[in-house]
Amino acid sequence: GQNIDQPTEMTATEGAIVQINCTYQTSGFNGLFWYQQHAGEAPTFLSYNVLDGLEEKGRFSSFLSRSKGYSYLLLKELQMKDSASYLCAVWNAGNMLTFGGGTRLMVKP
Amino acid sequence: EADIYQTPRYLVIGTGKKITLECSQTMGHDKMYWYQQDPGMELHLIHYSYGVNSTEKGDLSSESTVSRIRTEHFPLTLESARPSHTSQYLCASSGAGGETQYFGPGTRLLVL
Repeated sequence: GQNIDQPTEMTATEGAIVQINCTYQTSGFNGLFWYQQHAGEAPTFLSYNVLDGLEEKGRFSSFLSRSKGYSYLLLKELQMKDSASYLCAVWNAGNMLTFGGGTRLMVKP
Repeated sequence: EADIYQTPRYLVIGTGKKITLECSQTMGHDKMYWYQQDPGMELHLIHYSYGVNSTEKGDLSSESTVSRIRTEHFPLTLESARPSHTSQYLCASSGAGGETQYFGPGTRLLVL
């Protein structure tokens, strides 16, 4: 079976740094994705990790540890527009994406 | 930026009506997917296709059906809509590697 856990909600201040964690237990693992989803909109791709380590892309970075079944998304210099849900998704051995429930991030002034 | 389209964006319809939600992509992607998502809830895969004439059911049981006659189109049909079908339906596609999925804007369906 698949089990993907991430916090339901987080709050952070504009300009700060926030880390959103994701742990997973899946049957097979081919990679881990992070998507951003604003309320009422479709998810948009943020990052993809297949090897251990940190991938940096502008203000966003994603980390993966396959041995620990753990990933995090790091958002720096938070902006109000970063208020959204962040979805962790695992690409499993069946070549399908399984999504976690998402973490709703609220950025306050 | 991905080129994947869904129509209609919003649909309000009465119980018992037949509806088809359209999804098309211009990227030549082999793999296409339909997800269902209730407000504030997680995405659930209901159908997927790995190519023309290939369709499979996803993790979440759905009364809808799909077809894949052409690479670029992956329509979803509900033969008889019910209030329990009210949800957002998201279409996605990915290339031959099947890695990154790109999502369409979604169709919000309300069945009265």
